Amino acid sequence: GAVVSQHPSWVICKSGTSVKIECRSLDFQATTMFWYRQFPKQSLMLMATSNEGSKATYEQGVEKDKFLINHASLTLSTLTVTSAHPEDSSFYICSARDRGPKNIQYFGAGTRLSVL
Amino acid sequence: GDSVTQMEGPVTLSEEAFLTINCTYTATGYPSLFWYVQYPGEGLQLLLKATKADDKGSNKGFEATYRKETTSFHLEKGSVQVSDSAVYFCALSGGQAGTALIFGKGTTLSVSS
Repeated sequence: GAVVSQHPSWVICKSGTSVKIECRSLDFQATTMFWYRQFPKQSLMLMATSNEGSKATYEQGVEKDKFLINHASLTLSTLTVTSAHPEDSSFYICSARDRGPKNIQYFGAGTRLSVL
Repeated sequence: GDSVTQMEGPVTLSEEAFLTINCTYTATGYPSLFWYVQYPGEGLQLLLKATKADDKGSNKGFEATYRKETTSFHLEKGSVQVSDSAVYFCALSGGQAGTALIFGKGTTLSVSS
């Protein structure tokens, strides 16, 4: 099946620094990628929808200046958490939707961010 | 807005037991319904889907039927295995959500031999 690679899988950073998370579709082209955030024992919450070559669409309550999303190519989207603080600590998951008629989302394994 | 409610876990079963994980949804229009599974240390994988009322999705012995009258999409398996231990997420897309997925909170299944 289609593979989405997410890197890094775990990152620890100091408060105030920025962290970049990459999401790559390895064997298919994804015009749309999604970024989710998952709190412990909670559901995945959609943060933003990213379309190749255009600005991301953020969900209500998500700070676009804190969570910068870039979708520069059909196989790569990045999420940068700027000036991270402990409350940004969470599990971030990306998904990529294939261009075919099945309209299936394929998920990365997630990135655990711990901000000290 | 659109939402998905699934039963709280964890669900603990013995091998070969029957599994049901309940899922109900609220949505406008005609959403597609999904079950995703997340094995330890891995990303979410699509388990099965149904795109219209009365459709039955099935995969790896799991089944779920899209019931519009009860707005439900319960996951069932007749005989679980230890390897089925994972977190299961019910989700929908379409309706107000557009192409994005709206997830339930997830149900942890633990199967012992």
